Amino acid sequence: DGGITQSPKYLFRKEGQNVTLSCEQNLNHDAMYWYRQDPGQGLRLIYYSQIVNDFQKGDIAEGYSVSREKKESFPLTVTSAQKNPTAFYLCASSDSFGGYTFGSGTRLTVV
Amino acid sequence: DQQVKQNSPSLSVQEGRISILNCDYTNSMFDYFLWYKKYPAEGPTFLISISSIKDKNEDGRFTVFLNKSAKHLSLHIVPSQPGDSAVYFCAALMNNNAGNMLTFGGGTRLMVKP
Repeated sequence: DGGITQSPKYLFRKEGQNVTLSCEQNLNHDAMYWYRQDPGQGLRLIYYSQIVNDFQKGDIAEGYSVSREKKESFPLTVTSAQKNPTAFYLCASSDSFGGYTFGSGTRLTVV
Repeated sequence: DQQVKQNSPSLSVQEGRISILNCDYTNSMFDYFLWYKKYPAEGPTFLISISSIKDKNEDGRFTVFLNKSAKHLSLHIVPSQPGDSAVYFCAALMNNNAGNMLTFGGGTRLMVKP
């Protein structure tokens, strides 16, 4: 079955460390996205990529970095520069008609 | 500035009654509006959508109404069931040079009481 896989489900990081969240899709979608969800808030766009080897900043890109070396993969690195990294992170992909598919998310906690 | 807003953070409804979730938007260039349902620690799942050229779309117990002049849409769930308890996100889709971009509202937590 096609879908999006995010790993790990739960992640703990020490303050000051970088951490990379994985996102893989086998839907053959060109576009991929990273969102962040905080309690009581909607999903805010961190980065997006419309095609391999290209990506753009979203609304809250500061303290994050991404790469898109393969169509299937869009990893997100939360750097030590991100001031409030504890959140629920969602990866998504979309087809050419705008149909979005979401992963099951990664809960990142900074300890 | 938020382009999509859900002004009610929570809603409590009795089982069997109607649930009405509201959403307002500011950008008249949105092409589609979508509703997603989300359980804790899971990704959102698509529920129902409506094109900007329509004013109603129905799918089983779910109906979405769009009032373009008021820039307002609503999701009606009838009859409401305890399994409907979740957070509902309104989202607006725009197709532009950047691709198909979704903008989300802040979500409304629906609680359906047995």
